[in-house]
Amino acid sequence: AQSVAQPEDQVNVAEGNPLTVKCTYSVSGNPYLFWYVQYPNRGLQFLLKYITGDNLVKGSYGFEAEFNKSQTSFHLKKPSALVSDSALYFCAVRDLSFNKFYFGSGTKLNVKP
Amino acid sequence: EAGVAQSPRYKIIEKRQSVAFWCNPISGHATLYWYQQILGQGPKLLIQFQNNGVVDDSQLPKDRFSAERLKGVDSTLKIQPAKLEDSAVYLCASSFDKNIQYFGAGTRLSVL
Repeated sequence: AQSVAQPEDQVNVAEGNPLTVKCTYSVSGNPYLFWYVQYPNRGLQFLLKYITGDNLVKGSYGFEAEFNKSQTSFHLKKPSALVSDSALYFCAVRDLSFNKFYFGSGTKLNVKP
Repeated sequence: EAGVAQSPRYKIIEKRQSVAFWCNPISGHATLYWYQQILGQGPKLLIQFQNNGVVDDSQLPKDRFSAERLKGVDSTLKIQPAKLEDSAVYLCASSFDKNIQYFGAGTRLSVL
C-alpha cells in the first residue's frame, strides 16, 4: 500500500545547529515529493518539491531536501536552524499512477535559543 | 494575490447535526482539494475536483459527507449527520499545476 512515513514525531535542535527531518515513502513508480510547513492555526505552506533532476533541491527559507531513490527517502535539511523554524513539517507524495496525494503524519520541529 | 479563503474558522455542533464548510480557491486554480486533518495526523484527502468535476472521492464517507464545486470556483463540503469522530480540521487547497497546493487556514470542527 502507498504510504509516507515520518518516523520522528518531534525533533529538537539548538538554534544555529543543522537540522534534519526524515521522510520515507512507499509509492509505485517515480513519485513527486514535497515538503510543507504548518504554523499554529494556519494552513499548510509549500516549502519545496522534487520532480526530476538534481537530487538536492532547494526551497523557501533556506531549507533543502535530498532525494534518495535507493532508500526511498526525501529528508528535509537546513544548515543552521532558527527559532522561527519551529513548526510542524509534513512530507507529501504525489502518486502519478493514481494521481493521488499522500501526506505523512508530521514532525514537530522545536528550535531552542 | 489573495489566498484560499475558508469559512467558518471554527464550528461547534452536537452529534447528528448538520454542518457546511465553504472554500473560495485562488483565482484561476482549476484543481480543488478537501482534506480532513485529525489532531496528531497528516491531512487525508477527502475529495479532489478538476474544475467542477470530481476526480477522486474514494476516501469520502459518502453516506454522510457530500461536496460540490459550483461553476468550477467555490466549493462547499457538508456533513449530515455529524459523528463524534468527524471532529477535525477541514482544509481546502487549490492548485494551478496539480503539484503545488495552496492551503486555506482551515475550519476546526468540534462535534460534541
